[in-house]
Amino acid sequence: DTGVSQDPRHKITKRGQNVTFRCDPISEHNRLYWYRQTLGQGPEFLTYFQNEAQLEKSRLLSDRFSAERPKGSFSTLEIQRTEQGDSAMYLCASSLVQRRDEQFFGPGTRLTVL
Amino acid sequence: AQKVTQAQTEISVVEKEDVTLDCVYETRDTTYYLFWYKQPPSGELVFLIRRNSFDEQNEISGRYSWNFQKSTSSFNFTITASQVVDSAVYFCALSPTGGYQKVTFGTGTKLQVIP
Repeated sequence: DTGVSQDPRHKITKRGQNVTFRCDPISEHNRLYWYRQTLGQGPEFLTYFQNEAQLEKSRLLSDRFSAERPKGSFSTLEIQRTEQGDSAMYLCASSLVQRRDEQFFGPGTRLTVL
Repeated sequence: AQKVTQAQTEISVVEKEDVTLDCVYETRDTTYYLFWYKQPPSGELVFLIRRNSFDEQNEISGRYSWNFQKSTSSFNFTITASQVVDSAVYFCALSPTGGYQKVTFGTGTKLQVIP
C-alpha cells in the first residue's frame, strides 16, 4: 500500500444527478478526512472519521452530502441532486491517531457538474 | 478562528534563482502546528513540513528552508536554486494541536520556474 487512493479521478455529471466517490486510506490509518478544493482556493475541511465513527462535519456539508466509513476502512462521499456549485476537487486524507498532525492526501476526485 | 494568508498568488522565477513564499497566520490557540504542502499539476497534495508552535528554530532540508517567526505570525518558505520540478502550487496550513486537528489552508501560491 503506497498511499491514499481515490476513485474515480474525474467525474462529469449533469445537474440533479447523484454521484459517489470512494477513498481508500493507508491501511493502518484510523483517521480519514474529506476536503473540498475549488479553483484557486486551498482545501476546505468537510468531515472526518475515526475508525467508522463520523466525529465532525463542517457546515459546508449540506444535507445533500453524506459520508460513510462502514467498516473503518474505505470511505464514500455521496452528493445527491448535484448542483453546478458542487464542481470542485474532492480530496481525501488519512492519518494515524498517534500522528494525527500528519495527514496523507490522495490524488483527489475532480467533479464537474454541467 | 483560524486563518492563513498567502498574499502572493503567483510567482515566476528563472531556474536557479532563490524564491521565498510568504505565509501569515492567525489563531487563538496557544499551541498549534504549521504546515507546508506542495500540489503539483497532478493534484495530489504532498506534505513538506510540519512545525510545532513551541519550536521556533528554522529548518533546512536540502534546497528547502523554513523561517518561523512567532512574533510576526509568519512561516515563510524559501527554495534555493529553484528547479523546473519545483513548479507547483504551495499551500501553507495551520491546525490546533488538540482535538481532531482540523487543518486550515491558505489560498496557495502558484510558483512557476522558467527554464
